[in-house]
Parts: sequence; C-alpha cells; structure tokens
Amino acid sequence: AQSVTQPDIHITVSEGASLELRCNYSYGATPYLFWYVQSPGQGLQLLLKYFSGDTLVQGIKGFEAEFKRSQSSFNLRKPSVHWSDAAEYFCAVGAAGGSYIPTFGRGTSLIVHP
Amino acid sequence: KAGVTQTPRYLIKTRGQQVTLSCSPISGHRSVSWYQQTPGQGLQFLFEYFSETQRNKGNFPGRFSGRQFSNSRSEMNVSTLELGDSALYLCASSLFGTTNEKLFFGSGTQLSVL
Repeated sequence: AQSVTQPDIHITVSEGASLELRCNYSYGATPYLFWYVQSPGQGLQLLLKYFSGDTLVQGIKGFEAEFKRSQSSFNLRKPSVHWSDAAEYFCAVGAAGGSYIPTFGRGTSLIVHP
Repeated sequence: KAGVTQTPRYLIKTRGQQVTLSCSPISGHRSVSWYQQTPGQGLQFLFEYFSETQRNKGNFPGRFSGRQFSNSRSEMNVSTLELGDSALYLCASSLFGTTNEKLFFGSGTQLSVL
C-alpha cells in the first residue's frame, strides 16, 4: 500500500522569499504524484502532477516540483512567495492503473508574513 | 461549466442522529469520491462511486455509506453520529476515476456533532 509523509505541519515564510514543501512517499512501483492546494473555506485544487518523463514538473501559480526516485521525494518549490499563496498544501500518491484510490499526506499549512 | 457543488455547506447535529450530504459533480463526470478532512488526520478516503456502483472503499465503519444516482449525483450518509465524526466532508469528481486524472473538489460540508 502507498503512503505519503509531509514532515512539516506548518511553514512560515516572508513574502518574496523562496519556498520548499517536503513530501516523501512510499510505493513499490513508479507512483503517480500530485500536489493540491486548499485555500481557506475551499476545496482542493490541483497544482501539478507527475506520471513519468521529465522529473521536474511545472504547475500553476508559478509552482514546480521535482521527483527524486532515489530519495522517494516529490518536493514542491516556488522561487518567490506571494501573500495569496497562504493555504494548506497536500501531497498525494496514486497507484498506476485502475481506479483512483489516492493517498493524501496530512498537509502543510503555509503562513506568509508581509 | 459549473464546478462540483456540495450541499449543505454547514450542518450541526447531535450524537446519535443521522445525516445525509449531497454532491453534484461536474457535468459529464461519472466518478465521485468522498473524503473526510480533520485537523489531526488530514484527508481520509471514504469511498468512490462510478456509474452508480461503489468501486473503492476506505477504512471507515459501516455507519458511513453512500450511493450514486443515474445522473452521477452522489449522497453520503452517516448514521448514529459520534463526536469524532465532526469534520469537513469533501467530494471530488472526475471523468472516469482513473489514477492519472485530475480531481475536481467541491468546497465541502462542514459537519459539527454536538
């Protein structure tokens, strides 16, 4: 069975600073990996996903993530954070093939200081 | 195109009661999945329906049930409510519910059990 660990419950950054949110997964084969964002009072929105190919994936809102098989990681990055990026971020892993049974991490809450 | 709609937005119930939550997926989407979100546990998968059939189920007691109608709208029911059922319940839809698809989430139903 797959699992996802997001080691950081909260991350605080200053506006304009760079950001990296960590995600480690456990899965026997090549996983499908996702990052979702949840703004307060909203549902989740897909930021980006990785299935295969180029290990550096570009997403919406200026986010990118890098798949590192050797480290079982899929960290999310942004070079310059905006106040509107304050939200909850979820990493998720899915098994290739078949119906979607996603496993989500517990989330990382991003706080942005002006 | 309308997004995923969940009703009601907020619910307050007392222990022992039952509750029904509704989810209308994006038009044309046949897969609807449900999640329970709590601060301590993050996002937990409840079940997934595709073409009126429950295709996947998470690790929740039988008090949690659901169904899907021919128009793909879905309901979930929680019987004999417990305090620990207080959570944000999210539903998500996709075309076929395959692993590589993007999930579209509703804003959720916030359930408080007193």
